[in-house]
Amino acid sequence: GAVVSQHPSRVICKSGTSVKIECRSLDFQATTMFWYRQFPKQSLMLMATSNEGSKATYEQGVEKDKFLINHASLTLSTLTVTSAHPEDSSFYICSARVPGVYEQYFGPGTRLTVT
Amino acid sequence: GESVGLHLPTLSVQEGDNSIINCAYSNSASDYFIWYKQESGKGPQFIIDIRSNMDKRQGQRVTVLLNKTVKHLSLQIAATQPGDSAVYFCAETASGNTGKLIFGQGTTLQVKP
Repeated sequence: GAVVSQHPSRVICKSGTSVKIECRSLDFQATTMFWYRQFPKQSLMLMATSNEGSKATYEQGVEKDKFLINHASLTLSTLTVTSAHPEDSSFYICSARVPGVYEQYFGPGTRLTVT
Repeated sequence: GESVGLHLPTLSVQEGDNSIINCAYSNSASDYFIWYKQESGKGPQFIIDIRSNMDKRQGQRVTVLLNKTVKHLSLQIAATQPGDSAVYFCAETASGNTGKLIFGQGTTLQVKP
């Protein structure tokens, strides 16, 4: 089946620094990837849609200059949290869409803690 | 706006019993629905999906029912096992051909041995 990986699985950073999270589709090419954020005991909230070779589309209320998304290849999308603050601490999950179908396959998530 | 909601935040069942998790959705134009299982600290795992032109679909120990008249989706798990303990989310496709999914609030399933 389709496998999506994320790296790192956990990261701790200090306020004001930036952190990059990678999302890879391992056995298929994904023209579209999605980034979600999930707070404890809450549902997944879509942050942005990452399209290979074009700019990401951000959901309302998500700061594009703070959450930089790059989808440079058909198997890799990155999310960079810039100038991180403690309130950015969350579980970040990516998904990759199988081309031509509805299915999305999710990565294992990245736990970000900003101190 | 569009939303997908769940009726019960927590469901506790005895091992071996059947579980039913319910979901209400608001977007009558959605044509694809999915159930995901999420264990603590992990990403969502696909369980089963159903298209809007169907009202029932069965998998291994799981069945999804779709009632478009009342915009209701349910997940039935037969012979619930301890390994089924997790949070279950329903999701629907958003309006427009964007591929986006809208997730419900989630139901925690607790299986008692």
